[in-house]
Amino acid sequence: AQSVSQHNHHVILSEAASLELGCNYSYGGTVNLFWYVQYPGQHLQLLLKYFSGDPLVKGIKGFEAEFIKSKFSFNLRKPSVQWSDTAEYFCAVNGKKTSYDKVIFGPGTSLSVIP
Amino acid sequence: ETGVTQSPTHLIKTRGQQVTLRCSSQSGHNTVSWYQQALGQGPQFIFQYYREEENGRGNFPPRFSGLQFPNYSSELNVNALELDDSALYLCASSPRGLAYNEQFFGPGTRLTVL
Repeated sequence: AQSVSQHNHHVILSEAASLELGCNYSYGGTVNLFWYVQYPGQHLQLLLKYFSGDPLVKGIKGFEAEFIKSKFSFNLRKPSVQWSDTAEYFCAVNGKKTSYDKVIFGPGTSLSVIP
Repeated sequence: ETGVTQSPTHLIKTRGQQVTLRCSSQSGHNTVSWYQQALGQGPQFIFQYYREEENGRGNFPPRFSGLQFPNYSSELNVNALELDDSALYLCASSPRGLAYNEQFFGPGTRLTVL
């Protein structure tokens, strides 16, 4: 079955702390991987994506993620979080060879950054 | 460049009623996908439209249906509303034909079924 799991439902950090959000997926075949962010009151925005090549991808606002194929993981990291990073984070996957662009989302991790 | 827009922003209906939600895709995008996001969960794929035809469907009953128009805008129709249909409905558009499948999301329509 195709699915995405996220390790933490809710994470609370102080400003300047380092962040790592875990994501694992189950999907037959080669995949594209995404992290989306949903700031309070705003729509889903793409943070970063992996399609091929270097498994360490860099996104907006200092975020990066590493694709580890052997572990079916795509963890999100940021060395120093800010209060403005408070948001809901979603890991997502779709298949490179599917005939349509169905994206499977994880349940999300709510990040609260305390000033 | 105009982003994805959705209307209405909020909607309240009662059980058994029917609802139509609307989406305008981003300029240059010809593919529209619809997702349901229940409170505290990730978006769930409903279906996708490409060139005015349904091009893939998730695990949703037939009372969820849609349309895509020649200008690539789209509608999501839900018949015989149930309480569990209360959710944020997201529309996403993408430019078909590119090597990757990035989707751009609208702000959503919050549907409450009483």
